[in-house]
Amino acid sequence: EPEVTQTPSHQVTQMGQEVILRCVPISNHLYFYWYRQILGQKVEFLVSFYNNEISEKSEIFDDQFSVERPDGSNFTLKIRSTKLEDSAMYFCASSYNGLAGGGETQYFGPGTRLLVL
Amino acid sequence: GDSVTQMEGPVTLSEEAFLTINCTYTATGYPSLFWYVQYPGEGLQLLLKATKADDKGSNKGFEATYRKETTSFHLEKGSVQVSDSAVYFCALSSLAGGYNKLIFGAGTRLAVHP
Repeated sequence: EPEVTQTPSHQVTQMGQEVILRCVPISNHLYFYWYRQILGQKVEFLVSFYNNEISEKSEIFDDQFSVERPDGSNFTLKIRSTKLEDSAMYFCASSYNGLAGGGETQYFGPGTRLLVL
Repeated sequence: GDSVTQMEGPVTLSEEAFLTINCTYTATGYPSLFWYVQYPGEGLQLLLKATKADDKGSNKGFEATYRKETTSFHLEKGSVQVSDSAVYFCALSSLAGGYNKLIFGAGTRLAVHP
């Protein structure tokens, strides 16, 4: 069964450093997402991406964050200058359809646990 | 804005006990509703979903019915197994913004003992 994969599974970085989290969505999916979960808190939407551009982003997704689909398979989340509060589990997801109201299932990867020291 | 409220955990049950995890939501319109499960060390997996009022989603013995009147989507299973131990997330697909984004509840940890 096709699945979403993410690398690395864990990353430790120093405050102020740049990190890139990588995801390989399911191959025929068209919509891609990043969510995060700070330890003990809710899973929160960060951004959705379609047709090589951001379709929607949350208030959390400020100028320090960016997303990219550099080739036909990878989808990346970059944090330019990490802060302590960026420590969280980051989940990538993908779906074939992504319009609101469609009830489309999003398929999630296993997550990358980011620790900022 | 849209939100989801789940009962707090952890929920601890003996094998073969009946499970209910409550979930209520606040949303504009009639969103699709989901239950995702996260087993230890793994990502979020779709357990079941319902896309309109009175729909019942079911999978692996779990059920949930979309109740518009009570804005609820409670998860139930008649007889839990040790292998059901996991964190369960209720979520809705927000209609705001034009694109599909999921709004999650806080998650409920279930521990089933033999």
